[in-house]
Parts: sequence; C-alpha cells; structure tokens
Amino acid sequence: GENVEQHPSTLSVQEGDSAVIKCTYSDSASNYFPWYKQELGKRPQLIIDIRSNVGEKKDQRIAVTLNKTAKHFSLHITETQPEDSAVYFCAASSGGSYIPTFGRGTSLIVHP
Amino acid sequence: DTGVSQNPRHKITKRGQNVTFRCDPISEHNRLYWYRQTLGQGPEFLTYFQNEAQLEKSRLLSDRFSAERPKGSFSTLEIQRTEQGDSAMYLCASRTGANYEQYFGPGTRLTVT
Repeated sequence: GENVEQHPSTLSVQEGDSAVIKCTYSDSASNYFPWYKQELGKRPQLIIDIRSNVGEKKDQRIAVTLNKTAKHFSLHITETQPEDSAVYFCAASSGGSYIPTFGRGTSLIVHP
Repeated sequence: DTGVSQNPRHKITKRGQNVTFRCDPISEHNRLYWYRQTLGQGPEFLTYFQNEAQLEKSRLLSDRFSAERPKGSFSTLEIQRTEQGDSAMYLCASRTGANYEQYFGPGTRLTVT
C-alpha cells in the first residue's frame, strides 16, 4: 500500500517568513495530492491540491509543487500570518475511489 | 448549515459497550468516507461508500466495526465491544463523483473508559 512521509513534524517561523513542508510517497500510481489544514479542535479543510499531470499550482500565498520522478511534493506558504498556525497534512491517493493516505502532519507555528 | 454533520460530537462509553455514530453528508455527495484520527496523527482510512455500496474497507477495520449507508444518504458506524484503543476522533467525509475534494465533518470524539 501507499506510504506517505511528511517533514518536518514541527515548523516555527516569524510572521512574514516563508514556510515549506515536504512529503514523499511510495506508490507511483498515486495521481492526486491534496493538502489539508486542521486548526485545533476543528475539522481538516482542503487548502490546495494537485494532480499528477501538473508540476506546480498556486493560490495566492499558497503553492504546491510535485516531482513525480522523485515521488515528492511540497507545500509553500509565503508571507506567513499568525492565522496560518495549524497542523498541515499532505496526502496521496489514486484509483477510482481516491482513498487518501495521509502524512503524520506538520504543526506550523507563526510567531507575530 | 449545508456541510457534513456528525452526531454525537462526543461520546464517553465504558469498555465492552457498543456505540453508533451517524454521518450526514452534503446532500448531492454520493461518495462517503470514514476515518479515525488519534492525537498527533493524520486521519486513517476506515471504509468507503459509493451510494449505498461499501466498496472499500481498511485492514484497520476489525470485525467489531461495521458501517452502513442504507439509502445512499446518511451513514452509521458501529463499534461493538469497545476497547480503550478505540478512543479516537472518528471523522466522516463526502464528495461528489466528479470532484476529488473531500469535505470533512466535525468528527465524533470517542472516549472509552
């Protein structure tokens, strides 16, 4: 089955800095890669996703890059704000059911 | 609120008791997923429905766990003879067939004492 590794487990930055979270996956058949943000006590919410036919996708301050050959993908957040503080999960999925395998999460702390 | 809803939000039960959770997906979503999440971990897949058909089950889903989606709308997850290791947040998510994005419910937090 799929295995997703996520690093770092904790990331502490100053407001305005950039943050990068990296994930690797094992199943070359994976073709959909969502990123979720989960604030304390809240449900996971999709913030950006990328499909395997695209190398990069950007949405305002958030971007995701995908390297299919190396089987890794990354989340980039620029101009971080305190409200970006949360746990971020990457995931990889494939097939008709698109059942995601999640990474263990990165706790992002943005200091004002 | 037209999002995914789950009930109850919290459940405390004694070891050995049975519990049942309910998930109401977004109305036009025919795909429904159950996950379990423990502290410091990402959600772990339990089972997947397309309409009323249960198409996938994780190896995590022991025979004490059963899920149904009888009319292709709401779903229930039952845990029989609960164990302390079942303590976790149980999340439900749904999506349409045309879009990969899953929308999560607020979860049911189960505590087994």
